[in-house]
Amino acid sequence: SQTIHQWPATLVQPVGSPLSLECTVEGTSNPNLYWYRQAAGRGLQLLFYSVGIGQISSEVPQNLSASRPQDRQFILSSKKLLLSDSGFYLCAWSAGRAYNEQFFGPGTRLTVL
Amino acid sequence: DQQVKQNSPSLSVQEGRISILNCDYTNSMFDYFLWYKKYPAEGPTFLISISSIKDKNEDGRFTVFLNKSAKHLSLHIVPSQPGDSAVYFCAASANTDKLIFGTGTRLQVFP
Repeated sequence: SQTIHQWPATLVQPVGSPLSLECTVEGTSNPNLYWYRQAAGRGLQLLFYSVGIGQISSEVPQNLSASRPQDRQFILSSKKLLLSDSGFYLCAWSAGRAYNEQFFGPGTRLTVL
Repeated sequence: DQQVKQNSPSLSVQEGRISILNCDYTNSMFDYFLWYKKYPAEGPTFLISISSIKDKNEDGRFTVFLNKSAKHLSLHIVPSQPGDSAVYFCAASANTDKLIFGTGTRLQVFP
């Protein structure tokens, strides 16, 4: 069966510090991978989307970047965090075809102080 | 522009009664719809989906209804249970592998 891991579970970082969140998927190959953010009181906003190694689509302009160095690894990064980067970050995968459900990881709660 | 809208931020229902969560969309190209359930500090879990060729899909206590002419879908949970208390997101897709999510409705089921 497929599983998706995210770490860390929680993170408190000062403004201006760098960020690296990691997501890995097991039990499937060539998945589509997604990064979402859920800000307080808001829905799920798609940040980045990848259909393969090295292929990243950015959905919204922002202070973050994403990379996919391996087939089942997706990394969310920032060089300098802003207060507005606080939120709940979710990684998800899908089988890479239309009409497929996405399956979410446990999430990372990021607080920028 | 919010293409998928959940206009009720919260809903409170007594245990055993029906819960009805609503979702409206604006993009007529959407042809696949999903509902997710999310507990605090966890990732959303997939509940049920419906294709635009159907107007109803049922799975146990959960039924999703789609009204394409009104661009409206709803999730019915019957009977509601305390464990159903969570935030529910609807999502839509237009023949792609990207989903557009609504803002969520917090359901509270009380005894």
